[in-house]
Amino acid sequence: DSGVTQTPKHLITATGQRVTLRCSPRSGDLSVYWYQQSLDQGLQFLIQYYNGEERAKGNILERFSAQQFPDLHSELNLSSLELGDSALYFCASSGEGNEQFFGPGTRLTVL
Amino acid sequence: GEDVEQSLFLSVREGDSSVINCTYTDSSSTYLYWYKQEPGAGLQLLTYIFSNMDMKQDQRLTVLLNKKDKHLSLRIADTQTGDSAIYFCAESAYSSASKIIFGSGTRLSIRP
Repeated sequence: DSGVTQTPKHLITATGQRVTLRCSPRSGDLSVYWYQQSLDQGLQFLIQYYNGEERAKGNILERFSAQQFPDLHSELNLSSLELGDSALYFCASSGEGNEQFFGPGTRLTVL
Repeated sequence: GEDVEQSLFLSVREGDSSVINCTYTDSSSTYLYWYKQEPGAGLQLLTYIFSNMDMKQDQRLTVLLNKKDKHLSLRIADTQTGDSAIYFCAESAYSSASKIIFGSGTRLSIRP
């Protein structure tokens, strides 16, 4: 158990819909990262937040957005969903050290 | 640009050593990682190495880094069935406060 929690574990929705994935980092970790793992694109970095502020952006679509709240939990919002958005979405957190701790992931299926 | 490459599959006999190879392109990579992903699970950091090191050993795991060739390898001694998983090579610049770039993962299967 990494200490990072993600909800929900599974999510099934239809094309065109909007969903919100939630992540709670390890206690005390200020950085939160979101990654997408799909069969064709592999594991890709989406976005990083540090203490509520966006720190780095990767291959995140404009239809996707994220935020980190004062209690440090983070949400990833996916809108106008397409079939190709079906993937595992991982959240990770890090503190002062050089290790990112990954959550168990949310499996999103878009039908 | 940043790119990390590794072979997709490796099959070894139980008890043998497994060697998973990886190459990366970013010369500013400071941290190089090996993550393990078991079926249906998240990623678990196995080990990491700083770019100023050549080798790191941790129990059955040995990481070798050839910075000149930008080549990283993970050796698992005495491979067991529990080692069956996908192994991801990854790199980041500066520190973990940076995004991590992952390879495509190597699926390790163990033959009896």
